[in-house]
Amino acid sequence: AQTVTQSQPEMSVQEAETVTLSCTYDTSESDYYLFWYKQPPSRQMILVIRQEAYKQQNATENRFSVNFQKAAKSFSLKISDSQLGDAAMYFCAESTSSNDYKLSFGAGTTVTVRA
Amino acid sequence: EAQVTQNPRYLITVTGKKLTVTCSQNMNHEYMSWYRQDPGLGLRQIYYSMNVEVTDKGDVPEGYKVSRKEKRNFPLILESPSPNQTSLYFCASSPISSYNSPLHFGNGTRLTVT
Repeated sequence: AQTVTQSQPEMSVQEAETVTLSCTYDTSESDYYLFWYKQPPSRQMILVIRQEAYKQQNATENRFSVNFQKAAKSFSLKISDSQLGDAAMYFCAESTSSNDYKLSFGAGTTVTVRA
Repeated sequence: EAQVTQNPRYLITVTGKKLTVTCSQNMNHEYMSWYRQDPGLGLRQIYYSMNVEVTDKGDVPEGYKVSRKEKRNFPLILESPSPNQTSLYFCASSPISSYNSPLHFGNGTRLTVT
């Protein structure tokens, strides 16, 4: 069974500062994808960034970047220059080729941005 | 506009009263799935469908039914709801071309069973 762990239930960051959200996973598959989703108060699930396991290079999307440590099975999300609109719950998720497209989610981290 | 549409957005019901949450997508996606979101547990898969007339259980299927008679629709049925099914429900879809295709989520249905 896949398990995705987010050890930080809540994080707080000052506007314009940087915050890093941690995520670990435990798949035994060699071929998998990792995702970060954002859920603002509107409840909409928004894809932030995704990483292919076979790619060494860390994915980046504007102010969002990941630190993918394959050997350690770690997939942290860094939000740079935090903005008020970044306040949301963030979910880490994993998908493997053998698991019929199922996304396995972590418990989520709530990010608060202080003005 | 490409989207996944869930209805209703909010639903309050009583124990044992059958209900259906509808889900429709206009992107011609083969894959559709239902998740429930609970505090401290993240999202957990209830059922999924790889194509019309093909459905399979996810991690928490007990107390739920689904059907996939048409490609665009994937309703979630609670035959006899119980309070432990109070949750936030999401329908999602994706093309089946690759498992790395990100899921497109509906806006969620907040269900309360009293």
